[in-house]
Amino acid sequence: EIVMTQSPATLSVSPGDRATLSCRASQSVKNKLAWYQQKPGQAPRLLIYGASTRATGIPARFSGSVSGTEFTLTISGLQSEDFAVYYCQQYYNWYTFGQGTKLEIK
Amino acid sequence: EVQLVESGGGLIQPGGSLRLSCAASGFSVSNNYMSWVRQAPGKGLEWVSVIYITSGTYYADSVKGRFTISRDNSKNTLYLQINSLRAEDTAVYYCVRETETSYFDYWGQGTLVTVSS
Repeated sequence: EIVMTQSPATLSVSPGDRATLSCRASQSVKNKLAWYQQKPGQAPRLLIYGASTRATGIPARFSGSVSGTEFTLTISGLQSEDFAVYYCQQYYNWYTFGQGTKLEIK
Repeated sequence: EVQLVESGGGLIQPGGSLRLSCAASGFSVSNNYMSWVRQAPGKGLEWVSVIYITSGTYYADSVKGRFTISRDNSKNTLYLQINSLRAEDTAVYYCVRETETSYFDYWGQGTLVTVSS
């Protein structure tokens, strides 16, 4: 099983600043990596797929990148609605999720 | 507009059974890979099962032999039959549509299954 490790578990950032969330795969997943956002009481929402492609309707302040097995989600100019939990998911070999990063207001 | 609406969750005793349903609209379940993903209270996401366009089915090791995924094309509905329920099966169960390249693009709102005596 491919293990996805997200860091940090909690990230405190001020509105307007940039947030950088990390996700490491235990082995190569090529670029088959997605990011999801989940707000309390809601279902997850697809943000990024293919490591760096924004899903339909996702603002440009969300961007994804990859270096080897290290994936990064960057949110620039944080807005109030961006504070949520973020999950990465590999879909190269079945499907596994990271444990999530909670993005909270500083 | 794509919509997924789950139902069938509830409080069930350990060892019991339940069938979850997911009514789809805006697309055909028969022409898409469809999965179930669950989330235990306060925890992360766990993939449970997938049904392919070919009707092939696959399961996470944690539920293999106890859960059965199926679909009714005429009703455009996905199902998850869950048997021999355990406390650790307590979770919100989400129905999700999978794209051709296997990420999940649409999620239902979820249905809560609570296993407790």
